[in-house]
Amino acid sequence: NAGVTQTPKFQVLKTGQSMTLQCAQDMNHEYMSWYRQDPGMGLRLIHYSVGAGITDQGEVPNGYNVSRSTTEDFPLRLLSAAPSQTSVYFCASSYIRPGAGAEAFFGQGTRLTVV
Amino acid sequence: AQSVTQLGSHVSVSEGALVLLRCNYSSSVPPYLFWYVQYPNQGLQLLLKYTTGATLVKGINGFEAEFKKSETSFHLTKPSAHMSDAAEYFCAQSNFGNEKLTFGTGTRLTIIP
Repeated sequence: NAGVTQTPKFQVLKTGQSMTLQCAQDMNHEYMSWYRQDPGMGLRLIHYSVGAGITDQGEVPNGYNVSRSTTEDFPLRLLSAAPSQTSVYFCASSYIRPGAGAEAFFGQGTRLTVV
Repeated sequence: AQSVTQLGSHVSVSEGALVLLRCNYSSSVPPYLFWYVQYPNQGLQLLLKYTTGATLVKGINGFEAEFKKSETSFHLTKPSAHMSDAAEYFCAQSNFGNEKLTFGTGTRLTIIP
């Protein structure tokens, strides 16, 4: 009954370092997405995927890369971390059923600090 | 472009009082509307959603929301607040054929004993 699993839960990076935030879901959902949450700004969409091999940019994609080689996994890569990327990152997944208004299931989040 | 506006970044109510959290949406097509709740240091959990049909939607933990197209609103209410309702609440929308969620900036609900 895992749902959406994110690792790590906490991370501190130095400016310029790279890292990958992991996200895995076991619900066979087609749609997966990454958001960042900053105080007073709600959640903003970084990248999303409608299926394996298909990704697209969201509202704030700069500085982040994604890939989707399997249905289950959707990692988010920071190639060269900057202090502006200090945030809480959430991965979410949902099924795609046109007209159904599918519910998004969220992971527990990764709290990233870039110093 | 669609947008979601939540009026009031912080709302405080006394235990047992009515909870009212406001949400207005902007969409050129009929939206799907959602309320999510976030407890401290946790992810978001769906409270309720509106897709089509009945405009009064009931969710978990005694919350409900009413879709009012004429007012482009989807306010969240609960008749009697409980201490366990203290959390941050997010309104969100998506559209038919587009799974992307657009979130409001959130409202932090504090319950006064």
